[in-house]
Amino acid sequence: SQQGEEDPQALSIQEGENATMNCSYKTSINNLQWYRQNSGRGLVHLILIRSNEREKHSGRLRVTLDTSKKSSSLLITASRAADTASYFCAISSRGGSEKLVFGKGTKLTVNP
Amino acid sequence: GAGVSQSPSNKVTEKGKDVELRCDPISGHTALYWYRQSLGQGLEFLIYFQGNSAPDKSGLPSDRFSAERTGGSVSTLTIQRTQQEDSAVYLCASSLVSGVSSYEQYFGPGTRLTVT
Repeated sequence: SQQGEEDPQALSIQEGENATMNCSYKTSINNLQWYRQNSGRGLVHLILIRSNEREKHSGRLRVTLDTSKKSSSLLITASRAADTASYFCAISSRGGSEKLVFGKGTKLTVNP
Repeated sequence: GAGVSQSPSNKVTEKGKDVELRCDPISGHTALYWYRQSLGQGLEFLIYFQGNSAPDKSGLPSDRFSAERTGGSVSTLTIQRTQQEDSAVYLCASSLVSGVSSYEQYFGPGTRLTVT
């Protein structure tokens, strides 16, 4: 399957702590994207990292990509209660159309 | 509006009826995608439109599902003879696509379809 698989499935932390979510995949990718979803609707794009990139930052978010291990990680630093959401990685495969194949997500709970 | 819009936001229909779901992409975005999200299945790709190219229909689960995109903008996803397993949130997204460059996809709020 091309599907990305997130790990862990669920994560509960205290405000101020860092949260790390991992994504593994099986195919060659064009790019890998991370999305956040609140309350089962409204997917919000966080970061897109291309296959020739190794790390990207956006505010409190840091994404790494290791194409040799076919894995990516999303780090949220100094977490806030508002970061509580489900986080998905999505794969755009090399040689395929632009469709995204999503993992099943990590449900993050940040406790105040 | 600045974002992707979808209508209706909620739809309840009886098994066997046909439904149409609408998506208005962001102006200027050449690519449009349909996905669905259901419990236990996660987010599944359905269909992808890019410009005047033939759509990628590889994700459509059966021939009861079809979609069209008129004038390179608005898209309609049609489900004929709905079944209970079609119950899900149907999400539309749009993006820029330019040559070999890929861009992030912007998602609409979705249509929650319930088949009774």
